[in-house]
Amino acid sequence: DIVMTQSPLSLPVTPGEPASISCRSSQSLLYSNGDNFLGWYLQKPGQSPQLLIYLGSNRASGVPDRFSGSGSGTDFTLKISRVEAEDVGVYYCMQGLQTPVTFGQGTRLEIK
Amino acid sequence: EVQLVESGGGLVQPGGSLRLSCAASGFTFTTSWMAWVRQAPGKGLEWVATIKPGGSESYVDSVRGRFTISRDNNKRSLYLQMNSLRAEDTAVYYCARADRAAYDIWGQGTMVTVSP
Repeated sequence: DIVMTQSPLSLPVTPGEPASISCRSSQSLLYSNGDNFLGWYLQKPGQSPQLLIYLGSNRASGVPDRFSGSGSGTDFTLKISRVEAEDVGVYYCMQGLQTPVTFGQGTRLEIK
Repeated sequence: EVQLVESGGGLVQPGGSLRLSCAASGFTFTTSWMAWVRQAPGKGLEWVATIKPGGSESYVDSVRGRFTISRDNNKRSLYLQMNSLRAEDTAVYYCARADRAAYDIWGQGTMVTVSP
């Protein structure tokens, strides 16, 4: 199974400041077509998860451009350029390269 | 409106069975990969099963042989038949659509509690 490891697990951020979350996979997520099968999700309190980023760096429909994804192979990063109060929740990375599909442990973002 | 609506959760005794349903609308269900993802209370996300448009299934090891994912394209519905339930199966179960190796549409979830 591919193990997904996120850091940090807790992330206190001042509104307006940037934030960054790291995700590492135990195997490369780079597919033969050049896509990285890595997605990022945000689960706001009391809500279902929502897709932020797919294929490593593509913003999902309706996602603000302050969110960006980068990386390739085994190292990935989610960046928020300027954190807003509505960004609080738990962020998960997920690999969709092979079954079992696996998620990171989650990173809880809170507002200072 | 694009949405997934789960139903069928509830309280069941260990060893019992439950069937979850997920009604899809607003997108082309027949060509969509669909999945079930669960979240135990206070825990992270865990993939449970996936079914391809043609019916091919895959499962996480912990449920293989006990759970069965299925779909009815005419009814635009996804199902999860859960047998031999255990306490560790207690979770919110989400159905989700898979697209470009990610889950882009999620339901609101249905709670399954396995307890005497």
